[in-house]
This record gives sequence, structure tokens and C-alpha cells, in this order.
Amino acid sequence: KAGVTQTPRYLIKTRGQQVTLSCSPISGHRSVSWYQQTPGQGLQFLFEYFSETQRNKGNFPGRFSGRQFSNSRSEMNVSTLELGDSALYLCASQSRGSTDTQYFGPGTRLTVL
Amino acid sequence: DAKTTQPNSMESNEEEPVHLPCNHSTISGTDYIHWYRQLPSQGPEYVIHGLTSNVNNRMASLAIAEDRKSSTLILHRATLRDAAVYYCILLRTGANNLFFGTGTRLTVIP
Repeated sequence: KAGVTQTPRYLIKTRGQQVTLSCSPISGHRSVSWYQQTPGQGLQFLFEYFSETQRNKGNFPGRFSGRQFSNSRSEMNVSTLELGDSALYLCASQSRGSTDTQYFGPGTRLTVL
Repeated sequence: DAKTTQPNSMESNEEEPVHLPCNHSTISGTDYIHWYRQLPSQGPEYVIHGLTSNVNNRMASLAIAEDRKSSTLILHRATLRDAAVYYCILLRTGANNLFFGTGTRLTVIP
């Protein structure tokens, strides 16, 4: 089975712009979670989608949003980018949920100038 | 989210066993203990998980204390490819959001 893929792998934006990141989960997986990783805050949970519905949400401002499509692919969007949004954004897919293993993609490295 | 406490860093010689400790004194009865690791420039990778009994898989073993307030990840023979940050995470039944602490950075010395 192909693993989790994320596009693009690297992205440079300027403050005030918006960005959309994409994640394709492992075939057959219906849950997709997003995480932000920064040197200062470490790995933090953003949100999780299951069957096109947001099932869990972390403690991030409303500028961070996401969605999931019927084929389980997911996108996350960050509007009005700030310098502090520079981070590695990781996507993880899961078969059903709960204690199932999460499989992470390689991440998208976002740099905000 | 229940917190876990891990040493910031540990070192091991190559081909020696490694015991990575984790304290989770506020664990609840429905919390599973998960271990993930993150190799340099990669996303986290699942290692092992358990609830009450010790667990073994091809990557590692997980030893869980009888009172469940601590656990130990055991790598039986460390290799250079095991150099990574290891995260001990408590995951409540029905929850999906992994709460990553600071983890333990394992250095393997050739």
C-alpha cells in the first residue's frame, strides 16, 4: 500500500497570504488528522476529520481550517498567514479511529516571510 | 490530556539494549499507552502501544508497570537507524488527538 502523501513538500508565503495544504491518506483509511510542528511548541494537534466531518479540534485560531472529501483526501487552509505559522505541517491517516495506529506523511514545510 | 514525563535525552551504544522510561502518574483506566518515534526529517512513526499487559512486536517491547503509572520502551539491540526522538503518549479510548510531549532524543553511538 502507498503511504500518506502530502503536497506540496515545501512552500514559501508572505504574511497576510493564505495557503492550502493537501493530504492523501492510505487507501481505505477514513480518518485524517493534522498536526503542526515547530521548534518552540513541538507537535500540536490541529484537527481530525472522519467521513468528511470534523470529529476533533485542537486549540488553534479560526484562521486554521480544514475539510475532507468523499475520497478521504483532506486539505487544510491557513488564512492571513503570520510569521509564527512557519512550521512543518503533518498529516496522519488512520483506519477507523480511537486506538488505531496513525500513519504520518512526510509533512509540508511552510515558511512565512 | 493526561501528561507524560520523559527524560530529554539518552545515549546508547550500538547493539546494546535501550530502556526508555516514561512516567504517567495521572493515567486513567481508559488511557492506552502509545509510543511513536520521529527520525530526522521524517514524520512520526508508530512503534508500539498497550493498555495493561506487556507487549512485544518486531520493533520493540513495552513494559507497563502494575499500577500503570509508568512504562518502559525497550529496544533490544539499538542500531544507528534507531536514533530518533521517542514520544510516549496517552490516548484515551475514543480520542484521536495524539498529545506529543517533548519526547526523549535517543543518540546511538557506533
